[in-house]
Amino acid sequence: EVQLVESGGGLVQPGGSLRLSCAASGFTFSSYWMSWVRQAPGKGLEWVANIKQDGSEKYYVDSVKGRFTISRDNAKNSLYLQMNSLRAEDTAVYYCARVTDDYVFYFDYWGQGTLVTVSS
Amino acid sequence: EIVMTQSPATLSVSPGERATLSCRASQSVSSNLAWYQQKPGQAPRLLIYGASTRATGIPARFSGSGSGTEFTLTISSLQSEDFAVYYCQQYNNWLLTFGGGTKVEIK
Repeated sequence: EVQLVESGGGLVQPGGSLRLSCAASGFTFSSYWMSWVRQAPGKGLEWVANIKQDGSEKYYVDSVKGRFTISRDNAKNSLYLQMNSLRAEDTAVYYCARVTDDYVFYFDYWGQGTLVTVSS
Repeated sequence: EIVMTQSPATLSVSPGERATLSCRASQSVSSNLAWYQQKPGQAPRLLIYGASTRATGIPARFSGSGSGTEFTLTISSLQSEDFAVYYCQQYNNWLLTFGGGTKVEIK
């Protein structure tokens, strides 16, 4: 059974940093692109970042470029999102999601999400 | 950026009735469109990809159609478990975008 379990969310002050993790199991993690998608409270879904199987390609939504870094450790079956210079508008539930196929960027499995709250 | 617009924002339907949800892209996305269902407090679930292909385990009452800029998700006979928010997502280019969602509520 495919499982994605996020962790690392919490309350952080504006300008602060946070590192999210996603532990993957039930599939060959190193064979899939992975993504982060977020959802602000009461709002819709927003794609944040993608990373290729070997980490050689990464893509970001403009609003997080230069502040967020997606990475992965295939030996640990883990995906990460390093978030720096956090803003109030980054407050959201952050989901880890598996990309279904190479360069076909829709998501067949999602974690349950971890809440990030940016507030003083 | 490709803007995805969903309508209506809210759809009130009685159980057993048909629901038709629309999704429009600001430019052609070919058939590179997916639909997701999200219930309160839960992660989204993939329903449809390639505009019209049901994902594994999705009941036949869910169907998708369209290409280019106009897409439709149809739920042929609403069951109680279908009341939820539905999102479309284009994956025609690397800057992935979602629609704002349609909430299907009980009439």
